[in-house]
Amino acid sequence: SAVISQKPSRDICQRGTSLTIQCQVDSQVTMMFWYRQQPGQSLTLIATANQGSEATYESGFVIDKFPISRPNLTFSTLTVSNMSPEDSSIYLCSVPQPNTGELFFGEGSRLTVL
Amino acid sequence: QQQVKQSPQSLIVQKGGISIINCAYENTAFDYFPWYQQFPGKGPALLIAIRPDVSEKKEGRFTISFNKSAKQFSLHIMDSQPGDSATYFCAASMRTYKYIFGTGTRLKVLA
Repeated sequence: SAVISQKPSRDICQRGTSLTIQCQVDSQVTMMFWYRQQPGQSLTLIATANQGSEATYESGFVIDKFPISRPNLTFSTLTVSNMSPEDSSIYLCSVPQPNTGELFFGEGSRLTVL
Repeated sequence: QQQVKQSPQSLIVQKGGISIINCAYENTAFDYFPWYQQFPGKGPALLIAIRPDVSEKKEGRFTISFNKSAKQFSLHIMDSQPGDSATYFCAASMRTYKYIFGTGTRLKVLA
């Protein structure tokens, strides 16, 4: 399975600031996904990061709040903009296994907004 | 119709017992049903998955039972161990990698 590395693993941020989360995969993948897991909650898909084109956002998530970059087939970033305490969550990067289609997750980036 | 309902929310089982977690879905277009295990501070890890053309899949102590007519599937953990204590999520997808996750079950196995 792909090895997925996320940075930072955790951070504490002030209200109104922005934070960029990085996701690095050890192999080239066509699709990368960003999920949010609010405290004690399930996982919700934020967007699909497409290489060479704009990300595709799910209902309830907008580019101005969660801009995404995908400069190549092994790397993506998610920025959480103008943060509020409601943005305190674990943000997870995920990629599908090429042969099986199974979805694998990184360890997540735990964000606390004060 | 896109929801996946998961129960129970939490579960306490004695060591050696059977843990059973249930999920139900509405959308008959779903064609892939994975289960994920998540330990505190870690990302979800794929545990076992099933497609609707089979009614059961077993991998070691973990079994998925699938009832297509009832639109339900469940995870059974046989001989539950304290190391199995984690949060378990069911999910469903339809020919894409867009997964709809259940709300999660926090399992605690008592030593």
